[in-house]
Amino acid sequence: DVVMTQSPLSLPVTLGQPASISCRSSQGLVNTDGNIYLSWFQQRPGQSPRRLIYKVSNRDSGVPDRFSGSGSGTDFTLKISRVEAEDVGVYSCMQGSHGPFTFGQGTKLEIK
Amino acid sequence: EVQLVESGGGLVQPGGSLRLSCVVSGFTFSSYWMSWVRQAPGKGLEWVGQIKEDGSEQHCVDSVKGRFTVSRDNAKSSLYLQMNNLRVEDTALYYCVRDGDVNFRAMFDYWGQGTLVTVSS
Repeated sequence: DVVMTQSPLSLPVTLGQPASISCRSSQGLVNTDGNIYLSWFQQRPGQSPRRLIYKVSNRDSGVPDRFSGSGSGTDFTLKISRVEAEDVGVYSCMQGSHGPFTFGQGTKLEIK
Repeated sequence: EVQLVESGGGLVQPGGSLRLSCVVSGFTFSSYWMSWVRQAPGKGLEWVGQIKEDGSEQHCVDSVKGRFTVSRDNAKSSLYLQMNNLRVEDTALYYCVRDGDVNFRAMFDYWGQGTLVTVSS
């Protein structure tokens, strides 16, 4: 199984400052169809997960442009250019390129 | 508006069974793979299993193989998770999730609100 390792697991950030979360996979994530199915999810307290980014760098509709995804090979990153209060929650990466689908442990973002 | 509404969770003793249901609206259910994802209290997300659009193919994570079965009824736009021989470690919030289609694998773009399963004596 592909192991997804996130860091840091806890991320205190000052409002207006940038934040970055790393996600590393134990093997490459290129699917047989040539796509990389690496997604990022946000889970606010008490809510269901919400997809923010799909296929590494594609932002979902309605997601603020301060969120961006990047990466290749086995290293992927979610960046928030300027953290806002509504960004508090847990962020998880997920790979859907190889079965079974696997998630990272989650990174808890909080306001300093 | 897309909606996924889970039901069927509850308290069950170890070794017991439960059947979770998820009713979908707002998209053509029969055109998508569907998945179940769970989240133990205070823990991260874990993919449990998935089923193909026509129900002809199912896959589950190793920890539930032989105990959990994913099924669907496209006429009712419903997804099911039959859970047998439940263990304490199966305690979690179970989410129904839109998975993928012929063009896009593992979309996970729509999630239900979850149904809580508690396994305890």
